[in-house]
Amino acid sequence: GNSVTQMEGPVTLSEEAFLTINCTYTATGYPSLFWYVQYPGEGLQLLLKATKADDKGSNKGFEATYRKETTSFHLEKGSVQVSDSAVYFCALSRDDKIIFGKGTRLHILP
Amino acid sequence: EAGVVQSPRYKIIEKKQPVAFWCNPISGHNTLYWYRQNLGQGPELLIRYENEEAVDDSQLPKDRFSAERLKGVDSTLKIQPAELGDSAVYLCASSVEGPRSEQFFGPGTRLTVL
Repeated sequence: GNSVTQMEGPVTLSEEAFLTINCTYTATGYPSLFWYVQYPGEGLQLLLKATKADDKGSNKGFEATYRKETTSFHLEKGSVQVSDSAVYFCALSRDDKIIFGKGTRLHILP
Repeated sequence: EAGVVQSPRYKIIEKKQPVAFWCNPISGHNTLYWYRQNLGQGPELLIRYENEEAVDDSQLPKDRFSAERLKGVDSTLKIQPAELGDSAVYLCASSVEGPRSEQFFGPGTRLTVL
């Protein structure tokens, strides 16, 4: 069946560090891929998405590229800020079903 | 524009008691989702509505859970009777049309069953 695996947290970085949160998926065909973010005390919100192979989603300095050959959708940011501290969820949508990963908690230290 | 509204935000009940959660989606959003999120896990879909029709309820424990979206707008999720393992955050989300479109989430209802 379809599934999403993302790196376990928490991930702790200093401000301005480079961020990578790994996400790999298992699915038939070509799912749509998403990153959602949940800031403390708030609901999940879409950060970025990609709907086909080699697409790059980007928003707020974050990027992720849909890699069909490695079945991956890793989240990256070149210079993180304290305000990026949150829980990040990778998700896929296929056949009208959406599946979320377990989430990765990110702590950014000033 | 108002976001997805859920109530209550918190609920504490004893096991075997009933409980209900309410969700009002964003105006104009045809698709409504109920998720359960256990501690340290991602959201797991319980049921998805397209307008007033439940099109995916395969993960809904139907012996104790029920849901309705009578007029295709707001929705209620009920648990009766609640069990200890039902303690979780119950999330409601809506989208314009279907799971491929962006989902907008409410703040959730944190349920504690004692």
